[in-house]
Amino acid sequence: GAVVSQHPSRVICKSGTSVKIECRSLDFQATTMFWYRQFPKKSLMLMATSNEGSKATYEQGVEKDKFLINHASLTLSTLTVTSAHPEDSSFYICSARRQGNSYEQYFGPGTRLTVT
Amino acid sequence: GQQLNQSPQSMFIQEGEDVSMNCTSSSIFNTWLWYKQDPGEGPVLLIALYKAGELTSNGRLTAQFGITRKDSFLNISASIPSDVGIYFCAGRGFGNEKLTFGTGTRLTIIP
Repeated sequence: GAVVSQHPSRVICKSGTSVKIECRSLDFQATTMFWYRQFPKKSLMLMATSNEGSKATYEQGVEKDKFLINHASLTLSTLTVTSAHPEDSSFYICSARRQGNSYEQYFGPGTRLTVT
Repeated sequence: GQQLNQSPQSMFIQEGEDVSMNCTSSSIFNTWLWYKQDPGEGPVLLIALYKAGELTSNGRLTAQFGITRKDSFLNISASIPSDVGIYFCAGRGFGNEKLTFGTGTRLTIIP
């Protein structure tokens, strides 16, 4: 089956620093990847759609300069949380969709970010 | 952002019982998906539905795409301990790759 990995699984950083999260599709090529944020006991909220070779499309209310997304290859997208603050602490989950209408989004295991 | 209304919000059942949950939307979707999320993990796809009225099974799970395209339900028969988790519905509109997620149903099995 389709496998998506994320790294790191957990990260703790200090306020003001930047953190990079990687999302990889392991056994398929993904022209589109998605980044979600999930607060405790809440649903997934889409942050942005990452397109290989082009700029990401951000959802309303998501600061593109705060959450930098790079989708440099068909198997890798990165999310960088810049100048992190405690309110950025959350569970970040990526998903990847294989090219073709018959394929759905497969999710990574998530990254727990804690900003102190 | 938009979210789908999912009910019930939580369920407490005994092992062996059947479970039913549903999702409703004010918008029409052309795809309905059901995911399960375990604590600290990403969602795992359970069932995908592509046609209005479609009824699809995956083992003990059965899901249906509502005829109005605005709702879907998921049934789990003869629940077992590993069914515990949060179930999310998700819908995708025409010509749109983005998914809109439901508010989730937390399933707990009482010993």
